[in-house]
Amino acid sequence: SQQGEEDPQALSIQEGENATMNCSYKTSINNLQWYRQNSGRGLVHLILIRSNEREKHSGRLRVTLDTSKKSSSLLITASRAADTASYFCATDEAGKSTFGDGTTLTVKP
Amino acid sequence: ETGVTQSPTHLIKTRGQQVTLRCSSQSGHNTVSWYQQALGQGPQFIFQYYREEENGRGNFPPRFSGLQFPNYSSELNVNALELDDSALYLCASSLGTVRGQETQYFGPGTRLLVL
Repeated sequence: SQQGEEDPQALSIQEGENATMNCSYKTSINNLQWYRQNSGRGLVHLILIRSNEREKHSGRLRVTLDTSKKSSSLLITASRAADTASYFCATDEAGKSTFGDGTTLTVKP
Repeated sequence: ETGVTQSPTHLIKTRGQQVTLRCSSQSGHNTVSWYQQALGQGPQFIFQYYREEENGRGNFPPRFSGLQFPNYSSELNVNALELDDSALYLCASSLGTVRGQETQYFGPGTRLLVL
């Protein structure tokens, strides 16, 4: 079974709006990473957040981690059409990375 | 561009054949992980190599095997191909440390079709 599960499965918003995606996981982790994938291509790393961190920012991206609830969220502010992609969270534990099935984000111009 | 390359980009095989996929890791990285991604799903962890030793394995049968070379490049071998092996195969390189794995950088993938 998947360790990380993203919610929602699909999200459609207008350009300029904010997009929030959530990730839940089941076991203890060393870190959690968020990735973006454009239509069947390789994954692009967005942010790594360690288990002792609660929040991280990178440009228009904000990631939070709540280890007590075993959950993380990715917020994309002021979305653009180019943000249209699938977004995955991945947890890293003991040399193994586990991905969810992703959130497909569509940003309409 | 991540500096991680994979070859070939596309491959068509028939059921029962064997395939070898290759990955060149980013300079300075000592860890390579392989993933299988079926259409519409997230990547599934196959295994990881750290300094030429297998360092973790997902729920894949033994016909999936791998190697990591002294220059930290890697191969994924799949024997006795099945139709369900059709997928995008991704490799990712990273710098492994005593704290665990740092950021993974993915290659563009090899798309395998088994007929």
